[in-house]
Amino acid sequence: AQTVTQSQPEMSVQEAETVTLSCTYDTSESDYYLFWYKQPPSRQMILVIRQEAYKQQNATENRFSVNFQKAAKSFSLKISDSQLGDAAMYFCAYRRDSNYQLIWGAGTKLIIKP
Amino acid sequence: DTGVSQDPRHKITKRGQNVTFRCDPISEHNRLYWYRQTLGQGPEFLTYFQNEAQLEKSRLLSDRFSAERPKGSFSTLEIQRTEQGDSAMYLCASSLKMDYGYTFGSGTRLTVV
Repeated sequence: AQTVTQSQPEMSVQEAETVTLSCTYDTSESDYYLFWYKQPPSRQMILVIRQEAYKQQNATENRFSVNFQKAAKSFSLKISDSQLGDAAMYFCAYRRDSNYQLIWGAGTKLIIKP
Repeated sequence: DTGVSQDPRHKITKRGQNVTFRCDPISEHNRLYWYRQTLGQGPEFLTYFQNEAQLEKSRLLSDRFSAERPKGSFSTLEIQRTEQGDSAMYLCASSLKMDYGYTFGSGTRLTVV
């Protein structure tokens, strides 16, 4: 069975600095998708970035980028120039290519220090 | 269209009562998903609809749970004879294609007392 592990329950970063959130996963599949979602307090889950496993190029969305290491089954999220609005729970999620079900990590709480 | 809507936002119920939640997806999205999220955890898959057809149900969805999506539009999730262990955030999401990320609603927080 596929699993997703986020080993950092909580991370903190100074405003304007860079932080990296870790995610590892376990799968025997070769085709799959990986996602990072953000869940601010009492607000809805928002898609931050997605990565297709068949693409070698790391996905980037403005200040958010990933380091996708397929062989190591690692999918970390880098947030550059951290802003107060980035404070939230961040969840890593995995989906098999032929399946619609997302499998989620337990989340990392990101604290931004002003 | 303002996104995925869920109603109610909060529900407090006594153990043993039945509750029903509603989800209105983005209108052009034909895929709809229900997840459950307990405090400090990531969401857990409950069920999936493509149009009006319920294609998959998690083993988490016991006989007390039922979901419908009549006419492939809004969906309802009913929990019968609620138990304290049902207390959680129930999230609805929709998508147009599987290879896109979902759009989530704000969730319904259920508290069973």
